[in-house]
Amino acid sequence: NAGVTQTPKFRVLKTGQSMTLLCAQDMNHEYMYWYRQDPGMGLRLIHYSVGEGTTAKGEVPDGYNVSRLKKQNFLLGLESAAPSQTSVYFCASSPGQGMSNQPQHFGDGTRLSIL
Amino acid sequence: GDSVTQMEGPVTLSEEAFLTINCTYTATGYPSLFWYVQYPGEGLQLLLKATKADDKGSNKGFEATYRKETTSFHLEKGSVQVSDSAVYFCALRPPGGYQKVTFGTGTKLQVIP
Repeated sequence: NAGVTQTPKFRVLKTGQSMTLLCAQDMNHEYMYWYRQDPGMGLRLIHYSVGEGTTAKGEVPDGYNVSRLKKQNFLLGLESAAPSQTSVYFCASSPGQGMSNQPQHFGDGTRLSIL
Repeated sequence: GDSVTQMEGPVTLSEEAFLTINCTYTATGYPSLFWYVQYPGEGLQLLLKATKADDKGSNKGFEATYRKETTSFHLEKGSVQVSDSAVYFCALRPPGGYQKVTFGTGTKLQVIP
């Protein structure tokens, strides 16, 4: 019972490099989310998706892009990494519309350092 | 907009002490309320939830009651254990607000033997 799986778990990048974080869920959830977690700031929503082929911006979308080509996968891309993007990134999923009383399910996070 | 305010941490307690972590919220309508727990190096896990006023969520000895009149959802446990050491997040999800979950900033709990 995998739930939400994030890869990689750790990564170190140099400023200006690009990378993609992968998120996969096996619960047939409609909604998926990318958050970043920084000390003292809780979780901030980067982008989210309410279904295959759809994405939308959250609170802090600048510098990130996302894609949801398949229902079970949600990709987060950094085109040109900056030190300010050093953070722990969490993916989450939840059931679809009409299920607002249901919780989100989180992956274990990707710890990303930008030098 | 919606907001969640949690008490600042860290909170340090001795084993078997009583725990309260305060959480108040601002939202329109009747949101669903959640407590999540995050252990070191892991993602957030649902601890408990309540979906309407006066509901009490409970799990693993933790409890929280949805108080509409005080817009609060305080987390309590009668006797904490070392294994309860973690960061606790209060969160709300508005009715029909499928994409917008608002989290508090988290409260770190350390329980010492």
